[in-house]
Amino acid sequence: AQTVTQSQPEMSVQEAETVTLSCTYDTSESDYYLFWYKQPPSRQMILVIRQEAYKQQNATENRFSVNFQKAAKSFSLKISDSQLGDAAMYFCAYSWNAGNMLTFGGGTRLMVKP
Amino acid sequence: DTEVTQTPKHLVMGMTNKKSLKCEQHMGHRAMYWYKQKAKKPPELMFVYSYEKLSINESVPSRFSPECPNSSLLNLHLHALQPEDSALYLCASSPGYDSEDTDTQYFGPGTRLTVL
Repeated sequence: AQTVTQSQPEMSVQEAETVTLSCTYDTSESDYYLFWYKQPPSRQMILVIRQEAYKQQNATENRFSVNFQKAAKSFSLKISDSQLGDAAMYFCAYSWNAGNMLTFGGGTRLMVKP
Repeated sequence: DTEVTQTPKHLVMGMTNKKSLKCEQHMGHRAMYWYKQKAKKPPELMFVYSYEKLSINESVPSRFSPECPNSSLLNLHLHALQPEDSALYLCASSPGYDSEDTDTQYFGPGTRLTVL
């Protein structure tokens, strides 16, 4: 069974600084997808970034980038120039088949200090 | 447009009530999902519909009854719920067909359910 682990229940960062959230996963599949979702107190799950396992290039979306290490089964999220609006719960998630379930990590609560 | 809508935003019901949650998307997605989320926990999958057919039921109690009337609409019918069923119920959709982001799930804002 696939598992996703986020080892940092809480993180904090100073506004304008950089923070990295960790995620590791376990799978026997070779082709799969990894995601980071953000859930602010407003509660809507918002897709932050997506990575396809067969792509070696790390995905980036503006201030958000990932460090995907397939052999190590590691998928960390780096947030640059942190903003107050980045404060939220961040979930790492895994999927290996279209129309299949997402396996979520336990989440990391990110606090941004002004 | 990557919008999934859910109604109502909040719902309070007694244990003997019957109510329904509604989810709608107009992105042409063919897979739709119901999740249950407790506070400070990740979402837990309940049901998956693929091409309007129920493809995954994660051993959910029969007091939760999903329905997919068409490819854009997903309902969750609730009956005789228990207080422990109080949670945030999230709907999501994904393309479910061969596309650039076939596996990407887009979530609605959720319905906050309280069972008294």
